[in-house]
Amino acid sequence: EDKVVQSPLSLVVHEGDTVTLNCSYEVTNFRSLLWYKQEKKAPTFLFMLTSSGIEKKSGRLSSILDKKELSSILNITATQTGDSAIYLCAVDPFYNTDKLIFGTGTRLQVFP
Amino acid sequence: DADVTQTPRNRITKTGKRIMLECSQTKGHDRMYWYRQDPGLGLRLIYYSFDVKDINKGEISDGYSVSRQAQAKFSLSLESAIPNQTALYFCATSDPGQNTGELFFGEGSRLTVL
Repeated sequence: EDKVVQSPLSLVVHEGDTVTLNCSYEVTNFRSLLWYKQEKKAPTFLFMLTSSGIEKKSGRLSSILDKKELSSILNITATQTGDSAIYLCAVDPFYNTDKLIFGTGTRLQVFP
Repeated sequence: DADVTQTPRNRITKTGKRIMLECSQTKGHDRMYWYRQDPGLGLRLIYYSFDVKDINKGEISDGYSVSRQAQAKFSLSLESAIPNQTALYFCATSDPGQNTGELFFGEGSRLTVL
C-alpha cells in the first residue's frame, strides 16, 4: 500500500528558530514529491521535487529530495509567526494522473 | 475572486439527510478532484474526474457520489449523511499540461453531521 509519513506531527518553536520537517514515502512508482502550506483555508503549493539532491528554495524555505532514502525535508530558517501552518507532503505515484497521496501533515506553531 | 469556488462553505446537517457540495472553477482545467481532510488522517481522495465523461473512485468513495455537469463544475453528494462524514471537504483542479502534479484547491467546505 502506498503511503506518505510526515514527522513530527506537531512542532512549537519561537520566532527566529530554524525548523526541519520530514517526509518519507513508500510508493510503487514515483514521479514527484510536493510540499504544500495550509493555513486556515486551502493548501497552497510550495515546491515540487523530482530529482535527488537538487535543492528548491523560496526565501526562507528550502526543500530537498533523497530518492535513495525515499524521503524529503523542508527547512524553514528564521521562522516568523506567519509560518504557523500545517505543512503537507504529497507524492505523485503515477505517471501523468496527478492522484496525489498526502501525508498527515506537520502542524508548526511559531510564537513571538 | 477565487479560481476554485466551493459552496456551501459551512453546513450543519442531520444524519440521514442528503447533502450536495458544489465546486466550480475558472481555471479551465479538465481534471477535478474531491478530497476530505480529517485530523490525524490528512487529505484522502474521494473521487476524481479527468474530463466531463470520466469519473473515477478514489480511496474512500463509499457513501459518496459525484456528478461532472460541465468542465467547470464537479459536485459531491452524500445521499444519506452519517456522523463519520463530518470533515473538511476540498475540491481541487489540476492541469496535466503543466507536468507538475500541482493541485489548485478551493477554500474548503466544512460539513458537520449530527
